[in-house]
Amino acid sequence: ETGVTQTPRHLVMGMTNKKSLKCEQHLGHNAMYWYKQSAKKPLELMFVYSLEERVENNSVPSRFSPECPNSSHLFLHLHTLQPEDSALYLCASSPGGGLGDYEQYFGPGTRLTVT
Amino acid sequence: GESVGLHLPTLSVQEGDNSIINCAYSNSASDYFIWYKQESGKGPQFIIDIRSNMDKRQGQRVTVLLNKTVKHLSLQIAATQPGDSAVYFCAETASYQKVTFGIGTKLQVIP
Repeated sequence: ETGVTQTPRHLVMGMTNKKSLKCEQHLGHNAMYWYKQSAKKPLELMFVYSLEERVENNSVPSRFSPECPNSSHLFLHLHTLQPEDSALYLCASSPGGGLGDYEQYFGPGTRLTVT
Repeated sequence: GESVGLHLPTLSVQEGDNSIINCAYSNSASDYFIWYKQESGKGPQFIIDIRSNMDKRQGQRVTVLLNKTVKHLSLQIAATQPGDSAVYFCAETASYQKVTFGIGTKLQVIP
């Protein structure tokens, strides 16, 4: 609907697993974002990529590893996660490329549960 | 850092009535504000925005009011409909800085 798709929509993984979240935008945007959304907390910005270059790494633990092979695709590689990492992970894109680019279009999110 | 907050976590409104969702912000340098709607199972969706040089902006059935004196933002939804049921949250940004999001208010429309 928004031009930003995310797969999978739901993911259950054990703490020793390795998985990846995928995001694709069909809007021709230059910037892509990963957010974490937990219950009763504001959206937490994790990473920002502008023209495939990481411009923000918001003190995210190394068990989360982003990858942006081109301006249309963004991945979040997960390994040895903790139960507190269970959350909705949202991807967004924007036409500009700065942190203050507020015209962001969000995907539906991946609901992650770490057991 | 400074953050955006909301007064009410849940708001129940009768269908057809007007809804008012409030938001307090603390960064006096913020110059642009956005309201998002997030329906169940979906990502946030832009509703309406307002710049700090305005105190009111109207859209289709929605109005955003900005009171910079008390750092308060509100979203008014006219003639609330069942499709308006969602979580609404505000966001703020100062020029070329990160967008900061609020926690969210859940709007429940009673048929």
